[in-house]
This record gives sequence, structure tokens and C-alpha cells, in this order.
Amino acid sequence: EAEVAQSPRYKITEKSQAVAFWCDPISGHATLYWYRQILGQGPELLVQFQDESVVDDSQLPKDRFSAERLKGVDSTLKIQPAELGDSAMYLCASSLGGRVHEQYFGPGTRLTVT
Amino acid sequence: GDSVTQMEGPVTLSEEAFLTINCTYTATGYPSLFWYVQYPGEGLQLLLKATKADDKGSNKGFEATYRKETTSFHLEKGSVQVSDSAVYFCALNPGGTGGFKTIFGAGTRLFVKA
Repeated sequence: EAEVAQSPRYKITEKSQAVAFWCDPISGHATLYWYRQILGQGPELLVQFQDESVVDDSQLPKDRFSAERLKGVDSTLKIQPAELGDSAMYLCASSLGGRVHEQYFGPGTRLTVT
Repeated sequence: GDSVTQMEGPVTLSEEAFLTINCTYTATGYPSLFWYVQYPGEGLQLLLKATKADDKGSNKGFEATYRKETTSFHLEKGSVQVSDSAVYFCALNPGGTGGFKTIFGAGTRLFVKA
């Protein structure tokens, strides 16, 4: 069964350092999402791509976060510089797009900023 | 704006007990509704969905009915198992002019004791 791949699974970094996460969606899925999930809360959308274009990044802290999906396939989310409050689970999801809203999630990357 | 409210956890049940997790929503138009489940250390998995009023979504013994008159989508299971222990998220996608951004509730943690 096809799955969304994410790496790394765990990342520990010091504040003010740069960190990057990678996501490979299910083949053929046009829409890719990055979410942040703080412990005990639901996922919060950071950025949504349709193919290589950003369609929603209204909740992305653009002073320190960036995301790209250059060829419309895999994607990278970067934080520079990391802050203590960035400690969370970062989830990637994908869907076929259009009016199909079912999302398939990867296992996530747990980030700890010290 | 659109929102999802679900009952606070944790919910603790004995094996074979009946489960209800309440979910209500606020949305304009006719959203699609979802239940996702998150097992420890994993990403979210779609459990079931309903796309229009009076639809019943079902999967793995779980079911939920889209009730527009009460703006609710309560999750039920007749007999829970220890393996059902997880966090359950109710979610909606407004669709149409409301956009395609999925909004998640805060999650309800379920513990099932043997």
C-alpha cells in the first residue's frame, strides 16, 4: 500500500539553528500539506501546495519558515532560526486534490528545540 | 469562521463497552465531515467520512452520521477493544466557496482497559 514518507522521524536541535524536514507524497497526489501538531492539540495547517504552487500559507510564520515543492512531487519544510516554541510534531499529508478531501498522512517528524 | 468542537478526553472504557465521542461543527454551506485516528507515534489515518446530510460513514465497527439539523457528527462503536486505544480527531472541509482547508478538532484520547 502506498504511503507518505517523511524524514527524519526525530530531530533535536538547538535554538537559533536551521532545521529541514522532507516529505514524499503518494505517487499521483497533486495536493501536499504541511501541518504542525502541538502535543494535545489537533493538526494546524502551515502550507498547502497544489502541484508546485502554494495555495494557502496564511498560517506559515514566513519570517522563519519556508516550504518548497519545486517539481510538484516531494517537498521540504525549513525553519531558520529554530525557536523553543517550534517544538512539535510536523506532519505531511497528501491527497488527489480537486474536490477529493481525504488526506493521507505520513508518520511525522518530532522536533525538539533545546 | 468554521470550527470543530469535540468532547474533552481522556475517555476510559472497559473492553466491550459502548463508545460515543461527541463532535459538533460550525460551518457555512455543506462541509464534508471526517473522523481520523492517531495511534501512538504515528500520523493520522482516515477512519470514516460523510459528504452530505444524513450520510452515515462506517469503518472497522465505527460509525458516524452527518446530522445537519444538530450540526453534529458523533463517533460510535458498539464494542471497543484494547487496540482501539488512540486519539480520535473530528474534522471538516468546507469545500466550495469556503475553500478546501481541513479544520481539525483538538482530539479525544481513548483508553480501553482489558
